[in-house]
Amino acid sequence: KAGVTQTPRYLIKTRGQQVTLSCSPISGHRSVSWYQQTPGQGLQFLFEYFSETQRNKGNFPGRFSGRQFSNSRSEMNVSTLELGDSALYLCASSLPLAGGTADTQYFGPGTRLTVL
Amino acid sequence: DAKTTQPPSMDCAEGRAANLPCNHSTISGNEYVYWYRQIHSQGPQYIIHGLKNNETNEMASLIITEDRKSSTLILPHATLRDTAVYYCIVRGIQGAQKLVFGQGTRLTINP
Repeated sequence: KAGVTQTPRYLIKTRGQQVTLSCSPISGHRSVSWYQQTPGQGLQFLFEYFSETQRNKGNFPGRFSGRQFSNSRSEMNVSTLELGDSALYLCASSLPLAGGTADTQYFGPGTRLTVL
Repeated sequence: DAKTTQPPSMDCAEGRAANLPCNHSTISGNEYVYWYRQIHSQGPQYIIHGLKNNETNEMASLIITEDRKSSTLILPHATLRDTAVYYCIVRGIQGAQKLVFGQGTRLTINP
């Protein structure tokens, strides 16, 4: 089975621009979560989507948004980029199991965003 | 989700067993212990998880103490490719998929 894929792998933007990152989950997985990793803050949860609905959200400003499509693919968007948004953005997918039971998350390789 | 405590760094000789400890003294009965690792600038890789019993898979073994307040991840025959940051995460069974990552343990395998 193919793993989680993320595109693009690397991206350079300038302050004030916006960016859209894409994530394709493992086939059959319906939950997609996004994380941001920076040297200073480590790995932080951004949000989770399941069945095209945002189920959970981390403590990030409204400039960070996402969506999920009917095929479970997900995109995240960051508007009005700031220098501090430079980070590795990771996507993770999981089933999840029946009855709302949380399942193991599998991560993609990440998108390295550099804001100049 | 309960908080975890891990040593910031550890060293291990190639070919020896690497034992990575994790304290999770506030874990509750319906919370799992998960282990992930992250090799430099790659996405975290799932290793193993458990609830109460010890678990083993092709990558590692997970030993959870009887009171569930701590656990140890064991890499039986460490190789240079096992050099990575290892994260111990406690997560509830129900609901949100959110994982809370700490600083992890930077494991260095020495030749």
